[in-house]
Formats: sequence, C-alpha cells, structure tokens
Amino acid sequence: AQTVTQSQPEMSVQEAETVTLSCTYDTSESDYYLFWYKQPPSRQMILVIRQEAYKQQNATENRFSVNFQKAAKSFSLKISDSQLGDAAMYFCAYRSPTGANSKLTFGKGITLSVRP
Amino acid sequence: NAGVTQTPKFQVLKTGQSMTLQCAQDMNHEYMSWYRQDPGMGLRLIHYSVGAGITDQGEVPNGYNVSRSTTEDFPLRLLSAAPSQTSVYFCASSYRGHPKETQYFGPGTRLLVL
Repeated sequence: AQTVTQSQPEMSVQEAETVTLSCTYDTSESDYYLFWYKQPPSRQMILVIRQEAYKQQNATENRFSVNFQKAAKSFSLKISDSQLGDAAMYFCAYRSPTGANSKLTFGKGITLSVRP
Repeated sequence: NAGVTQTPKFQVLKTGQSMTLQCAQDMNHEYMSWYRQDPGMGLRLIHYSVGAGITDQGEVPNGYNVSRSTTEDFPLRLLSAAPSQTSVYFCASSYRGHPKETQYFGPGTRLLVL
C-alpha cells in the first residue's frame, strides 16, 4: 500500500518570503499522480497543484511550484512571495493510476502560519 | 453550479443514535467518495462510488453504510453512532474515477458523538 509522509507538523514564514513544505511517499508503481491540497480555517479543501509522475517538468501554478524528485520519492511544495491568505493546513496526497477506482492517500498535513 | 454540498454542517449525537450525512453534487460527476478527517491523521477514505448503484469500501468503512440511487446524491449512514466516529466528514466528487480528474470537496460536516 502507498504511504505519504509529511514529517513537519508546523512551519512558519514571514510575509513576502519563500517557504518549502516537504512530502515523501512510498510506492512500487511507476506511474501515479501527486497533489497538494490547502485547507484554510474554513475547512474547505482546495486543490493547489497537481503533478503527473510521467512528466519530468515540475508543475507550477502562479506562486506555487513543486520540486518533484521521482527517484527520491519526494514531492515538495514551494510557496513564493507568501501572503497572509496562504496560512492554512497543507496536505500532500498520492493517487494511483491502477484501475478507475483509485483513491487519494493523504499525508497527515502541515500547518503553515504566515507572520506579517 | 452549487458544486458539492453537505448537510448538516454540525451535528451532535448520543452513542447508539443513527443519522445520515447528506452529500449532493450538481456537476454530473460519476465518482463520489466520503472521507473522515481526524487530528494528526489526514483524510481517510470511508466509502466511494463510481456511479449510480455501485459502491465500494475504502480504508475505514466499519460503522458506515452508503448507497447511490442517483448520480447526484451519495448519503453516508451511521447506524449506531460511537464516540470513535467523532470527526469531520468530507464528501468529494470528480467527473470520473480516473486519477487525473480533479476531486472537488464539500465544506464538511462536523460530527460530535457523546
């Protein structure tokens, strides 16, 4: 079974600076999908970014980018020019391509605070 | 589109009571799922459905039942609530079950079992 590990429970960043959130995963599959979700205090789960394992190029979405290291099974999220609205819990998630019923496996999450 | 809606937002139950958490989506999504979120545990899959009339178990199905009579609705039933079921429950849907499809989450239902 796949596992997703987020070893840092909390991180803090100064407004306008850059922060990197770490995620590692364990799998024996060669093709899969990785995601970062944001959960603000409203509890709404919001998709931040998605990476397809067969693509070598790292995904980017505005101020959010990933560093995908397939051999190391590492998938970190970089937030540039941090804003107060980035304060939230962030979850890394893995999804297998096997079959049409593959499920999302989540890490335990990391709480990011942004200092003004 | 309303997206994925969940009712109620918050519920208090006594041990042994039953209740149904409602989930609906208006995006004509085939794939729907239920997760529970507990502190320090991330989200864990309870049950999922790939279409009307088809459901299957996820990682933590015990104590929960589901059915899918329509494409739009996917209710989660607790037949005899236990304190261990105190949690925040999320419903999610996607166009299909393919992993590249984005899953859209509802706002969550916070359940407290005394």
